[in-house]
Amino acid sequence: IQLTQSPSSLSASVGDRVTITCRASQGISSYLAWYQQKPGKAPKLLIYAASTLQSGVPSRFSGSGSGTDFTLTISSLQPEDFATYYCQQLNSYPPTFGQGTKVEIK
Amino acid sequence: EVQLVESGGGLVKPGGSLRLSCAASGFTFSSYSMNWVRQAPGKGLEWVSSISSSSSYIYYADSVKGRFTISRDNAKNSLYLQMNSLRAEDTAVYYCARVETYYYDSSGYPSLDYWGQGTLVTVSS
Repeated sequence: IQLTQSPSSLSASVGDRVTITCRASQGISSYLAWYQQKPGKAPKLLIYAASTLQSGVPSRFSGSGSGTDFTLTISSLQPEDFATYYCQQLNSYPPTFGQGTKVEIK
Repeated sequence: EVQLVESGGGLVKPGGSLRLSCAASGFTFSSYSMNWVRQAPGKGLEWVSSISSSSSYIYYADSVKGRFTISRDNAKNSLYLQMNSLRAEDTAVYYCARVETYYYDSSGYPSLDYWGQGTLVTVSS
């Protein structure tokens, strides 16, 4: 199963609403997770089961979707949110990742 | 506190071997499936291999099948990745990650909830 994220990169300002999409090449129900990765650091789980917020993750992050189309939304971008975001499908092996979306400062 | 600490990375020549280890603490290691995920320099994340809690189920990416072997020792709270016949394209930071499964409405939804800091493997002559 291939995952295609869009956009590959974006520039945004603090306070902006940001939406990242992830499209699966076939239906994956809600078997999707979102991760945040900062340079030189390990990925951090943000969202699992497509829309469930991981404990400790700020509520400005939200996920939605089912089947083939998913979104990660940051309601009000904060300075610490500038990072690369990855989706991952865990519906079937191999559990593939999207190519990533880099969120940069405008 | 959950901790995953990888070790064993380094510089190896093409065709060589390396064994990575991941020491787990702060949780009941024997109850969780574990994964290896890698990231080539400047590239995205690539899933490498998975092993179930009792080692009954093992999966590999096509890119490493036949060359890499995942294993675990639950008595030692440790995960391993034996890498043979290494190639330049295996150069990457290798992360171990824990699989947590969320159960809802009779379905289980896995995700990688804890990751180690990574260990760098460089394959070069």
